[in-house]
Amino acid sequence: KAGVTQTPRYLIKTRGQQVTLSCSPISGHRSVSWYQQTPGQGLQFLFEYFSETQRNKGNFPGRFSGRQFSNSRSEMNVSTLELGDSALYLCASSLKGSYGYTFGSGTRLTVV
Amino acid sequence: AQTVTQSQPEMSVQEAETVTLSCTYDTSESDYYLFWYKQPPSRQMILVIRQEAYKQQNATENRFSVNFQKAAKSFSLKISDSQLGDAAMYFCASAVSSGSRLTFGEGTQLTVNP
Repeated sequence: KAGVTQTPRYLIKTRGQQVTLSCSPISGHRSVSWYQQTPGQGLQFLFEYFSETQRNKGNFPGRFSGRQFSNSRSEMNVSTLELGDSALYLCASSLKGSYGYTFGSGTRLTVV
Repeated sequence: AQTVTQSQPEMSVQEAETVTLSCTYDTSESDYYLFWYKQPPSRQMILVIRQEAYKQQNATENRFSVNFQKAAKSFSLKISDSQLGDAAMYFCASAVSSGSRLTFGEGTQLTVNP
């Protein structure tokens, strides 16, 4: 069974640009969550989608947004990139909520 | 709100020896889960072990076991017969059973010496 797939693996963007990251969950998983990992702040929850609806949101500015499609694939978008947005962005999928999340390998975003 | 604290930024262990990683948490919820995740250099977070708060019995997965002290809000991970492949960053995490977000600790970098 295929795992959680995140694309791209690496990304370099310039300040002020926007970026879209993609996450394909494990087949049958309807819950997709996103986390930001930085050396300074650690792992922080961004948002969670379930059946195309945002069910939970972390404490991030409105520049961070996401969506989920009918096939459960999810995208997150960051607009007007700042240097501080440089991070590893991890996606996780689950059949139901927090009990059994499986993570992808992440997208390493570098903002220059 | 939930908080998770890992007070050991780094730990090291000799191959084949046993090591214990510490974790404390705080929550006002009565129904919650606790997790240990491993993150090797490949970056993927791998679930090591999971504990339901309502279960008194400590969870065990092969060489990995936990010491869950609910009253003390402590959740330590014991790795027995350590192997070189156990070297990684280990994160303790908690989640409300009815919720969907994981709250992570700061992580402990484990080194396994041959």
